[in-house]
Amino acid sequence: GESVGLHLPTLSVQEGDNSIINCAYSNSASDYFIWYKQESGKGPQFIIDIRSNMDKRQGQRVTVLLNKTVKHLSLQIAATQPGDSAVYFCAERAEGGGADGLTFGKGTHLIIQP
Amino acid sequence: EPEVTQTPSHQVTQMGQEVILRCVPISNHLYFYWYRQILGQKVEFLVSFYNNEISEKSEIFDDQFSVERPDGSNFTLKIRSTKLEDSAMYFCASSAKRGGIGEQYFGPGTRLTVT
Repeated sequence: GESVGLHLPTLSVQEGDNSIINCAYSNSASDYFIWYKQESGKGPQFIIDIRSNMDKRQGQRVTVLLNKTVKHLSLQIAATQPGDSAVYFCAERAEGGGADGLTFGKGTHLIIQP
Repeated sequence: EPEVTQTPSHQVTQMGQEVILRCVPISNHLYFYWYRQILGQKVEFLVSFYNNEISEKSEIFDDQFSVERPDGSNFTLKIRSTKLEDSAMYFCASSAKRGGIGEQYFGPGTRLTVT
């Protein structure tokens, strides 16, 4: 059958290594950013968020970096585990009235090799 | 841990038929959202809902779509006359704060297949 949809960038890392997933956003008015993890057949799951007045935020095994100058967001996952295998999406929210919905990026497929 | 639930998990319908997708948001949340994800593509915002009215909608959310909170627990998305291109995963989300600050919790999704 015909293949449809976007070809997701894929990042393959060895279990135990660190991984960095990158995201570029286009809306300079965005003031809030979130990383989501989506496993096959499931809804997006919140990982970590960051406001535009910060450039770094750390969670458990995860760090988000925000570079507003170049409109770039990254997610660092330390000591990757098999359960980290998933598609990772960055999402942004634009400041302003009625800006409730999140705009999602295209996603990166992270594969953890045993 | 509280979670958003959605029913059905899979809905198959014929083109032109009406479908209603159901969601039960987290009980103390006030802001509700619908998103869709066409197979292999990114998640797209459809609509947000607060205080019994739509607070924001995207270009995708045309007159064929409507949302309702018929009681204190359910949040529904209705598609009046389905088209083939409506086939997608539909995710409901809820949040305690506007714009999902702090977190938008997503449900597991309903896979809609229009034939």
